[in-house]
Amino acid sequence: DAGVTQSPTHLIKTRGQQVTLRCSPISGHKSVSWYQQVLGQGPQFIFQYYEKEERGRGNFPDRFSARQFPNYSSELNVNALLLGDSALYLCASSKGLAGVATQYFGPGTRLTVL
Amino acid sequence: GESVGLHLPTLSVQEGDNSIINCAYSNSASDYFIWYKQESGKGPQFIIDIRSNMDKRQGQRVTVLLNKTVKHLSLQIAATQPGDSAVYFCAEILVAGNKLTFGGGTRVLVKP
Repeated sequence: DAGVTQSPTHLIKTRGQQVTLRCSPISGHKSVSWYQQVLGQGPQFIFQYYEKEERGRGNFPDRFSARQFPNYSSELNVNALLLGDSALYLCASSKGLAGVATQYFGPGTRLTVL
Repeated sequence: GESVGLHLPTLSVQEGDNSIINCAYSNSASDYFIWYKQESGKGPQFIIDIRSNMDKRQGQRVTVLLNKTVKHLSLQIAATQPGDSAVYFCAEILVAGNKLTFGGGTRVLVKP
């Protein structure tokens, strides 16, 4: 079975632009979570979606939004990009909610904001 | 590939020796803990987990120890191999919060 897939692999944007990142979970997984990983640090939780509903939100500004589609894939949107948004964005999927089910991570999307 | 962490603490270990990676966690109410391995250019990979009502759990070549008194977690890797070179993160989970909180990572470099 394929693991979690993310697209694109790399992305370069300029300040003020908007970006959309995509994630496809492992088949059969209904939960998708998004994380931001800045170089030298552990991933920081952004959102969790389960059965197309938001079930958790980290300490990120409203410029960050996400959604989950009927096929359980997900998109993360970031508006009005700042230099500090440059990071590796990770998607993780699990069968159930993140608190009770093991999460499996994708390879990430490397976002560079110039 | 991408470098996961340029300024992480580093553990250098000789191939074949045992490795011990330590982690201090913050929430005494956390329900369980996970160790992840992250290789350059990849997402974190699940290694082993342990519930808060346990103090030790063993997997294949890995052992996790939990000391709730001092909120400390460790990962022991037996007979470290070159493929073990990566950044290792601990994470704590509060079931009610439905999310992982990652701790700081440790880079492990295995010398041949």
